[in-house]
Amino acid sequence: SQTIHQWPATLVQPVGSPLSLECTVEGTSNPNLYWYRQAAGRGLQLLFYSVGIGQISSEVPQNLSASRPQDRQFILSSKKLLLSDSGFYLCAWSPRRLATDTQYFGPGTRLTVL
Amino acid sequence: GIQVEQSPPDLILQEGANSTLRCNFSDSVNNLQWFHQNPWGQLINLFYIPSGTKQNGRLSATTVATERYSLLYISSSQTTDSGVYFCAVKYNNNDMRFGAGTRLTVKP
Repeated sequence: SQTIHQWPATLVQPVGSPLSLECTVEGTSNPNLYWYRQAAGRGLQLLFYSVGIGQISSEVPQNLSASRPQDRQFILSSKKLLLSDSGFYLCAWSPRRLATDTQYFGPGTRLTVL
Repeated sequence: GIQVEQSPPDLILQEGANSTLRCNFSDSVNNLQWFHQNPWGQLINLFYIPSGTKQNGRLSATTVATERYSLLYISSSQTTDSGVYFCAVKYNNNDMRFGAGTRLTVKP
């Protein structure tokens, strides 16, 4: 069966520090991968999605970037965190077939920027 | 872009009560999912239901694609049903758009 991992689970970082969040998927190949952010306990916003190694699409302009160095690894980064980057970050995957497939979410990383 | 509206935004129930959550969307979609986010933040898939009706235990969902809405029914609610329920739609290959959610509180 497929599983999706995220780490760290929680993170407290000072403003201006760098960020690296990691997401890995097991038990599947060639998944579509997604990063979402959830602020204030509701409402998920799609940040990035990837259909393959090195292929990243961004949904909104922001202080963050994403990379996919391996097929089942998705990384969310920032060079300098802002207060507004605080939130709950969720990684998700879906089978790379038709657009009708289900998305499955990881456990999330709760980021607090002070 | 597509708009997804969920109602009500908040719902408080007594244990054992039934409820209906609604999701309206503004355009044709090829994927609709219902999720439950538990108090620890984990998003759990409930239904993949672009059209028709599905049931899973005390939960059921109906999507009327031609009228652009979906309903989630919770019967005999339990305290463990508490959390936020999200509707999400996909209208192109990779963009899934979430509603703002319905926060459900079930009191013992």
